[in-house]
Amino acid sequence: TQLLEQSPQFLSIQEGENLTVYCNSSSVFSSLQWYRQEPGEGPVLLVTVVTGGEVKKLKRLTFQFGDARKDSSLHITAAQPGDTGLYLCAGGQAGTALIFGKGTTLSVSS
Amino acid sequence: EAGVTQFPSHSVIEKGQTVTLRCDPISGHDNLYWYRRVMGKEIKFLLHFVKESKQDESGMPNNRFLAERTGGTYSTLKVQPAELEDSGVYFCASRGQGREQFFGPGTRLTVL
Repeated sequence: TQLLEQSPQFLSIQEGENLTVYCNSSSVFSSLQWYRQEPGEGPVLLVTVVTGGEVKKLKRLTFQFGDARKDSSLHITAAQPGDTGLYLCAGGQAGTALIFGKGTTLSVSS
Repeated sequence: EAGVTQFPSHSVIEKGQTVTLRCDPISGHDNLYWYRRVMGKEIKFLLHFVKESKQDESGMPNNRFLAERTGGTYSTLKVQPAELEDSGVYFCASRGQGREQFFGPGTRLTVL
């Protein structure tokens, strides 16, 4: 059974701090997606990484896919209160269902 | 372009009753997925339609769950009879030709 271990589960930081969320698996994925979910809404796709070693940037968010395509990280620089939310990683094989991590609940206070 | 929609947003039912959840995917998306998040656990896959056909239903918990996608457009997920452990948030996602899945807002099901 494929599993995605996401850490930390909870993160509470001050505005301006940096943070990194990790997603690890013993399985290889053809792609890994990062989502953000707000209360009462569904997950919203932030980015998809597909190539081992790939790095993608979305403003202050940096996403990296491990060389072996078994792990990924999300780094937020200078976090702001608007970054508060649930961040989910999800791995997939081509066309199949996604395997989700449990999520990281981020709280950024001003 | 309208996103994935789900109805109802919330449902509270008694154990033993029947509930039907509906998902309308993004127009033109052949792939439709159902997922569920039980409190404290990760989002888990239930099943996958390609057009009107069930491609993969390996995640369906038991035979109390019935999913349909007549005509390859919207899909329904019926739970009959509902049990306490069926409570959770049910998400629908659709995918076109690319690899990205787009999620609906979910239906929060509470079984009392």
